[in-house]
Amino acid sequence: NAGVMQNPRHLVRRRGQEARLRCSPMKGHSHVYWYRQLPEEGLKFMVYLQKENIIDESGMPKERFSAEFPKEGPSILRIQQVVRGDSAAYFCASSPPGREGEKLFFGSGTQLSVL
Amino acid sequence: GENVEQHPSTLSVQEGDSAVIKCTYSDSASNYFPWYKQELGKRPQLIIDIRSNVGEKKDQRIAVTLNKTAKHFSLHITETQPEDSAVYFCAARTGNTGKLIFGQGTTLQVKP
Repeated sequence: NAGVMQNPRHLVRRRGQEARLRCSPMKGHSHVYWYRQLPEEGLKFMVYLQKENIIDESGMPKERFSAEFPKEGPSILRIQQVVRGDSAAYFCASSPPGREGEKLFFGSGTQLSVL
Repeated sequence: GENVEQHPSTLSVQEGDSAVIKCTYSDSASNYFPWYKQELGKRPQLIIDIRSNVGEKKDQRIAVTLNKTAKHFSLHITETQPEDSAVYFCAARTGNTGKLIFGQGTTLQVKP
């Protein structure tokens, strides 16, 4: 069972461009979470999704950021018109349905650098 | 709102000593408290967790204690080894949507 897969591992964008970060959850997992981590800081919650449904987006900036988890395919975190302050590591995590759904399994992250 | 505070931010111990990291949470409806270890440049990995219906859980050299009344929980690592050096994060699962809120992290250095 492959773990949570994120790509790309590193993404470089110029200010004003769009960044698309992909996350494929573990097989059988139906819940996806996105977190942002700045250097030497904690994991900041952004959004929690189930298939075709946003459960909690209380950590998402109101503008430029969006997330989806379609019926088929990976979850996508999209950042439009990136700015230098968006530079960070973005981690995706997934969890299974049911009682074990409390346990989050993390991907290796995407390091976004905005020039 | 939902918040998790973690202390200390850095901790340095000699190999073989014990290390204790403490967290407090604000959401009284939280019922699940995991601890993650993150090595430099790697993904966070779950090392131990505890549910609100128990007060203590052990797994070899690591243990977690929970005081629901005081809303705090702690990670204890005994007989520390250099490979325990990493950043440790506590987290609490919120009562409403079930997302995990993380503490700020503790950088543990174990000196040989």
